[in-house]
Amino acid sequence: QQQVKQSPQSLIVQKGGISIINCAYENTAFDYFPWYQQFPGKGPALLIAIRPDVSEKKEGRFTISFNKSAKQFSLHIMDSQPGDSATYFCAASTHSGYALNFGKGTSLLVTP
Amino acid sequence: EAQVTQNPRYLITVTGKKLTVTCSQNMNHEYMSWYRQDPGLGLRQIYYSMNVEVTDKGDVPEGYKVSRKEKRNFPLILESPSPNQTSLYFCASSSPGTGAHYGYTFGSGTRLTVV
Repeated sequence: QQQVKQSPQSLIVQKGGISIINCAYENTAFDYFPWYQQFPGKGPALLIAIRPDVSEKKEGRFTISFNKSAKQFSLHIMDSQPGDSATYFCAASTHSGYALNFGKGTSLLVTP
Repeated sequence: EAQVTQNPRYLITVTGKKLTVTCSQNMNHEYMSWYRQDPGLGLRQIYYSMNVEVTDKGDVPEGYKVSRKEKRNFPLILESPSPNQTSLYFCASSSPGTGAHYGYTFGSGTRLTVV
């Protein structure tokens, strides 16, 4: 059973646009929500993460928005660039980060 | 360089022939895990290990075995591989999280084909 649901499955955005990927979870014991970025032929790499005590976290062009009451969180990529074209995975775990539950991934293509 | 090393990168084998995919990390991480990645299914957990001699089943452990005799190594064993185990496998390691930015470091992957 997928514990983290991710949408959309694929996304095409023009250069300079905003990419938005959404995730939802059910398990209220989750309190750590990382996002991973994966380029073809590579393993996933940690991009940005958030704890539920804050509603938003920003690192450069990447922002996580978190809605605890709705059990949803999203990744926003501002000023999207062709180099951002990759697969993005949201995940959720308890505070120790031991058992990561991943969404199914979103394939992002940023067109020039 | 801090890294997770998996070997081999590519493997083609026949049904029923036992194989081992090795995984080693040089970051003194307590946690290690194995995932398989399949199109449309994302990353699915096979096994986890919290530390030496401690392992837990993930979502899809059937047909796989693991062992954690040393902190740095976490091999994945397929005793009798079947074609439905054809997949891209990732090993990852981490330490118990503190703060707001921590997580697994992944290896480069092993692409396994079982014919």
